[in-house]
Parts: sequence; structure tokens; C-alpha cells
Amino acid sequence: GENVEQHPSTLSVQEGDSAVIKCTYSDSASNYFPWYKQELGKGPQLIIDIRSNVGEKKDQRIAVTLNKTAKHFSLHITETQPEDSAVYFCAATLSGSARQLTFGSGTQLTVLP
Amino acid sequence: DTGVSQDPRHKITKRGQNVTFRCDPISEHNRLYWYRQTLGQGPEFLTYFQNEAQLEKSRLLSDRFSAERPKGSFSTLEIQRTEQGDSAMYLCASSVGQSSYEQYFGPGTRLTVT
Repeated sequence: GENVEQHPSTLSVQEGDSAVIKCTYSDSASNYFPWYKQELGKGPQLIIDIRSNVGEKKDQRIAVTLNKTAKHFSLHITETQPEDSAVYFCAATLSGSARQLTFGSGTQLTVLP
Repeated sequence: DTGVSQDPRHKITKRGQNVTFRCDPISEHNRLYWYRQTLGQGPEFLTYFQNEAQLEKSRLLSDRFSAERPKGSFSTLEIQRTEQGDSAMYLCASSVGQSSYEQYFGPGTRLTVT
């Protein structure tokens, strides 16, 4: 089955700096890679995603890049703000019928004011 | 669009009791997923429905776990004879299906088994 590794597990940045979180996946057949933000006591919130036929996608301060050859993808947050502080999860899914998500272990991002 | 809702938000039960959780997906979302999340980990897939059909259940943790979606709308997840190791957050997600891959999660049900 699919295996997703995520690092770092914790990340602290100063407000206004950029943050980068990286993930690798094992199954080359995976074709969809979402990122979720989870705040304490809440469910994961989809913030951005990318399909395997695209190398980069951007939405305001958030961007995701995908390197299919190396089987890794990254989340980039620019101009970080205190409200960006949360746990971020990457995930991957195969194109099969279920499309269940396999998640990384999460990154606790802290943006220091 | 009111989002995915789950009930209850918190459940405390004694070991050996049965518990049932409910999930109401986003209206007209055909696919419904259940995940379990333990502390400090990412969600782990349990089972999935397309409409009322449970198409994948091999990842349910044991035969004490069962799920239903009788009319293709809301779903229930039941755990029989709960054990302390069942303590976790149980998350539900829904998806439009067809060519859409996006899954939207509910707030979860936090289960504590004492």
C-alpha cells in the first residue's frame, strides 16, 4: 500500500517569513495530493491540492509543488501570519475506486508574532 | 452548503460498552469515508461508501467495527465491546465522487474509553 512520510514534525517561523513542509510518497501510481490544516479540536480543512499532471499550483499565500520523478511534494506558505499556526497534513491517493487518503504524520507549525 | 456534521462531538464510555456515531455528509455528496485519528498522527482510513453501498471495508480495525449508510445519506459507525485502545478521534469525510477527488471532513467525534 501507499506510505507517506512528512517532515519536519515541528516548525517555528517568525511572522512574515516563509514556511516549507515536505512529503514523500511510495506508490508511483498515486495521482492526487491534498494538504489539510487542522486546528485544535477541529477536523482537517482542505487548503490546497494538486493532481499528478500538474507541477505547481498556487492560491494566494499558499503553493504546492510536485516532483513525480522523485515522488515528493511540498507545501509553501509565504508571509506567514499567527493564524497560520496549526497542524498541517499531506496526503496521497491512488486512482482506484475508493480513493482513500493516506496521510503523513503531520507538521506542527507555529508562527511567532 | 452546511458542511459535514458529526454527532456526538464527544463520547465517554466504559470498556465493554457499545457506541454509535453519526455522520451527515454534504448534501448530494455520493461518497462517504470514515477515518480514525489517534493523538499526534494523521487520519487512518477505515471504510468508504458510494451511495448506500459499502465498497471498501477491509481496513476496519476488527469485527467489532461496523458501518452503515442505509439510504445513501447519513452514515453510522458502531463499535461493539469497546476497548481502551479504541480511544481516538473518529472523522467522517464526504466527496462528490465521479471525477472529483476532494474530501471534506467533519469536526469529528472524540471517543474516550475508560
